[in-house]
Amino acid sequence: AQTVTQSQPEMSVQEAETVTLSCTYDTSESNYYLFWYKQPPSRQMILVIRQEAYKQQNATENRFSVNFQKAAKSFSLKISDSQLGDTAMYFCAAYLYNQGGKLIFGQGTELSVKP
Amino acid sequence: DTGVSQDPRHKITKRGQNVTFRCDPISEHNRLYWYRQTLGQGPEFLTYFQNEAQLEKSRLLSDRFSAERPKGSFSTLEIQRTEQGDSAMYLCASSFGLAGEGDTQYFGPGTRLTVL
Repeated sequence: AQTVTQSQPEMSVQEAETVTLSCTYDTSESNYYLFWYKQPPSRQMILVIRQEAYKQQNATENRFSVNFQKAAKSFSLKISDSQLGDTAMYFCAAYLYNQGGKLIFGQGTELSVKP
Repeated sequence: DTGVSQDPRHKITKRGQNVTFRCDPISEHNRLYWYRQTLGQGPEFLTYFQNEAQLEKSRLLSDRFSAERPKGSFSTLEIQRTEQGDSAMYLCASSFGLAGEGDTQYFGPGTRLTVL
């Protein structure tokens, strides 16, 4: 079965510091896409960052960057200079070609940024 | 661009009643997805459309669930004879995708269903 695993149910970080959220996935495919989504409390899910598996270069988006280790099937999210507005549930998700159009999500990591 | 919208945002119903949810995707997005999210979990795929064609249905989508996307625009998700286990957040997402591409899905605010 294709799975996405987030092993950290909760994390906290001080404002302005750096935090890394972990994600591993399991697939036999060579082509796929990986995503991190953010879901603030009582608000809708928004895209944080996206990574194409065929690209070796790690994606970055302002304060957000990923560490994509294809051989290890690892896809971690680093948030630099954490801000109070980063407080949210973060979901790792995979788009796999042999799974049609759907995203497969991990269980989520609840991140709290403390002042 | 108004984003993906869903209606209603909240629905409380009694067990055994039928409910219908609506999703309006981002204009010109050809793909539309439905997911279900229970408390503390990641979303689980239910079904998806490319234009008006329903291309895939999850085994989670029992016979009590039906989805439509007439004319490839908005979509409706109907649950018949609701059960308490149907209580969840129902999320809609849309994307513009071509075959073989990992299109980025944009999510709506969801409809929270409570079955009493």
